[in-house]
Amino acid sequence: DTGVSQDPRHKITKRGQNVTFRCDPISEHNRLYWYRQTLGQGPEFLTYFQNEAQLEKSRLLSDRFSAERPKGSFSTLEIQRTEQGDSAMYLCASSTEGTGSKNIQYFGAGTRLSVL
Amino acid sequence: QKEVEQNSGPLSVPEGAIASLNCTYSDRGSQSFFWYRQYSGKSPELIMFIYSNGDKEDGRFTAQLNKASQYVSLLIRDSQPSDSATYLCAVNRQTGTASKLTFGTGTRLQVTL
Repeated sequence: DTGVSQDPRHKITKRGQNVTFRCDPISEHNRLYWYRQTLGQGPEFLTYFQNEAQLEKSRLLSDRFSAERPKGSFSTLEIQRTEQGDSAMYLCASSTEGTGSKNIQYFGAGTRLSVL
Repeated sequence: QKEVEQNSGPLSVPEGAIASLNCTYSDRGSQSFFWYRQYSGKSPELIMFIYSNGDKEDGRFTAQLNKASQYVSLLIRDSQPSDSATYLCAVNRQTGTASKLTFGTGTRLQVTL
């Protein structure tokens, strides 16, 4: 169990550029979640996958955001035409399916995005 | 009304004292309740989870849940300087296939020497 892995850890980009982040969940976890956290706030839910199916998306996830999990393993989050308001920590979490302790979400280290 | 509310703090307690962190939530259908610790610039780390009314103890930590009053609390006994962090309360209401955490803004805890 190597934990949830996110890459890159930091990304600096210019406004209008596209960026892509990767998340590798804990190997036996079939659920994968993306959250966004800005300074002084708690993480906000963006989207989640069960295996390769994207089952829920927040209305926070504008058309410029897209997430995929093509083989039910790693996931990517792409932001097109970045804006300064996209600057945040993007957190990935994973869990098994079920209720109770099976539903505990474990977080990766996050990708900090700065849009200049 | 925010879905999950916490006092942002900072809550300052002396070393060795008990720190009491509180959280209220608005969705009566919430089923699972979590406390995460987050150091500055780091990601959230799970401290405690609780599903049933009452107390749950794990080492120096005790989580308390009162569903009728819609509040969750975290007690940290014998507080240490290393406990200084932001504590995030999160709730989960799983409906069908939906499973997401709703977080509060966090309470910043400072343990002073």
